[in-house]
Amino acid sequence: KQEVTQIPAALSVPEGENLVLNCSFTDSAIYNLQWFRQDPGKGLTSLLLIQSSQREQTSGRLNASLDKSSGRSTLYIAASQPGDSATYLCAVRYGNNRLAFGKGNQVVVIP
Amino acid sequence: EAQVTQNPRYLITVTGKKLTVTCSQNMNHEYMSWYRQDPGLGLRQIYYSMNVEVTDKGDVPEGYKVSRKEKRNFPLILESPSPNQTSLYFCASSFTGMLYEQYFGPGTRLTVT
Repeated sequence: KQEVTQIPAALSVPEGENLVLNCSFTDSAIYNLQWFRQDPGKGLTSLLLIQSSQREQTSGRLNASLDKSSGRSTLYIAASQPGDSATYLCAVRYGNNRLAFGKGNQVVVIP
Repeated sequence: EAQVTQNPRYLITVTGKKLTVTCSQNMNHEYMSWYRQDPGLGLRQIYYSMNVEVTDKGDVPEGYKVSRKEKRNFPLILESPSPNQTSLYFCASSFTGMLYEQYFGPGTRLTVT
């Protein structure tokens, strides 16, 4: 069974610092990895999708890397802003179109 | 606008009273899925469907039913809800190819008393 772990579970950073969020998965046989943002009590907003053949994806201040062989992905958010405060979830697509989620990194950016 | 819709968004019900949460997508996606989200447990898959009339169990299917009679709709049925099914539920859809991302609905907050 695919298991996804996100470390740290929660973190606070001062505004302007770069954020580094980690995601690891137990089975490297994945098709893709997707990072989401979730605000309290709200739905999931897709941030980045990395295919298994890719090493990284970038969108604005966001950059996600993928090392499939070691079962790791990292989400970098440059120059954090208070509006980046949210929970960030990673999910891997594997097997018969299954999706396994980590429990999230809860981020607070302090003005 | 491409979207996944869920209804109702909020529901309070009593133990044993059958209910249905609807999910609909307008993107012609083959794949649809239901998840529940609970504090400390994260998002867990309940059921998924690869196409019309094709459904399969996820990680936590007990107490739930689904049907896929039309491509755009994937309702979640709780025949006899219990308090441990109090949760935040999400529906998602995507194309079945491995290159495609999943799109999520806004969520349904269910409370069973």
